[in-house]
This record gives sequence, structure tokens and C-alpha cells, in this order.
Amino acid sequence: DQQVKQNSPSLSVQEGRISILNCDYTNSMFDYFLWYKKYPAEGPTFLISISSIKDKNEDGRFTVFLNKSAKHLSLHIVPSQPGDSAVYFCAARGSGGYQKVTFGTGTKLQVIP
Amino acid sequence: NAGVTQTPKFQVLKTGQSMTLQCAQDMNHNSMYWYRQDPGMGLRLIYYSASEGTTDKGEVPNGYNVSRLNKREFSLRLESAAPSQTSVYFCAARLFGNGDTQYFGPGTRLTVL
Repeated sequence: DQQVKQNSPSLSVQEGRISILNCDYTNSMFDYFLWYKKYPAEGPTFLISISSIKDKNEDGRFTVFLNKSAKHLSLHIVPSQPGDSAVYFCAARGSGGYQKVTFGTGTKLQVIP
Repeated sequence: NAGVTQTPKFQVLKTGQSMTLQCAQDMNHNSMYWYRQDPGMGLRLIYYSASEGTTDKGEVPNGYNVSRLNKREFSLRLESAAPSQTSVYFCAARLFGNGDTQYFGPGTRLTVL
């Protein structure tokens, strides 16, 4: 039972354009969401997060939007750069300090120069 | 400050052999995690340790054991390796009260023949 779903395994975008990565979740108890970026042969690194009490969080070129009623979140990268080419994982956490974090299957983004 | 380190980086085992994957963090974080990453499956939690002296099962614990030796170290043991355990293994650490950001090690690529 995949509680966090990233339905697009891959995405190609031209440099300078917007990249939109999508994520859906099924567990209404999730209250905190994160995006991680992963380069080949490296561990994932934290990118941006959002609490369920917000609908938007911005950090430089990266913005995460949360639509709780649709159980959907998206990551926008504007403008996209070749260095953004990586696998992006969406993740979600339930309430409580030590709750497990559930990861999606990842979307491989390729930014074409 | 190395963050999270993992040893070995690569390992090849024969079916039935045992081995221990080592993980250490120098960030004084409370919680530590072991994940495996498989194609099309994202990151799946094997075991986690909320604090020194405690361990709990994640999504896919079968065939694995863990030890939280002290606050710094969290090891993952395969008692009798199987080809289904061929994967990339990531260790992560998280500081309670610091949102849910997890800091990942570089990974161990394990092949079981």
C-alpha cells in the first residue's frame, strides 16, 4: 500500500523553464511533508518542507504547495538549472516526534541546457 | 564534521553469508534510521532508533537486525543474506525538535549472489 505516490517516474524540462513535480498521499494523518533531492551515488539531501497548517512554502527558487483537500503537493522549481537534474523524493510524516517518514518512489528530473 | 558515514561503500555477498553495515553520525542527533532503496520502490524504512537504547521495526524488517550501540552508531546486520536483499542501503540521522529533516549517509551498495 503506497501511501505516498509520485506518479511521474521522470520529467524533462528546458533550462530556465519551470519544473513541477507532483506528489499524492492517501493517509490523512500525515501532517508534515518534505522534499529530498538525490544525486547518483550520494545520499538524499533535504530540500524543502511544509507543515499541514500551511499551503505554501518558498525557499529561493523552490516552492512547495500543499492542497490538503486533494491530498496533493507539488514542488515548483523556477527557473530550472542543469544542476537541478536529480531524483526528487516526496516524503510525509504523521503526528508525533518519532513517527516514521514515508517516502514516495521518486521522480527523475532532467534539466536540458 | 563528517555528518553521517557508512561503511563499507560496496559489498558483494554469497547467499547465506552474513555481514554488518556500519553507520556513525557526529551530529549528536537522537534518532537514526536504516532505509533500502530499490528501483521503482523509493526509500523503504527497515528499522529505526528513536533514541539510544531503543529500536523499532519499519516497513521491511524481515531478514535484518539492528543495534544502537551508542548515540553515534547504528548498525544493520544481515544474518543470512538473500538475493532479495540486493539493494542500496542508506543510514540517516535526525535531531528531535528540528522538524523532520533527516541527514543521510552516502549509502552502501550491496549485491547478494
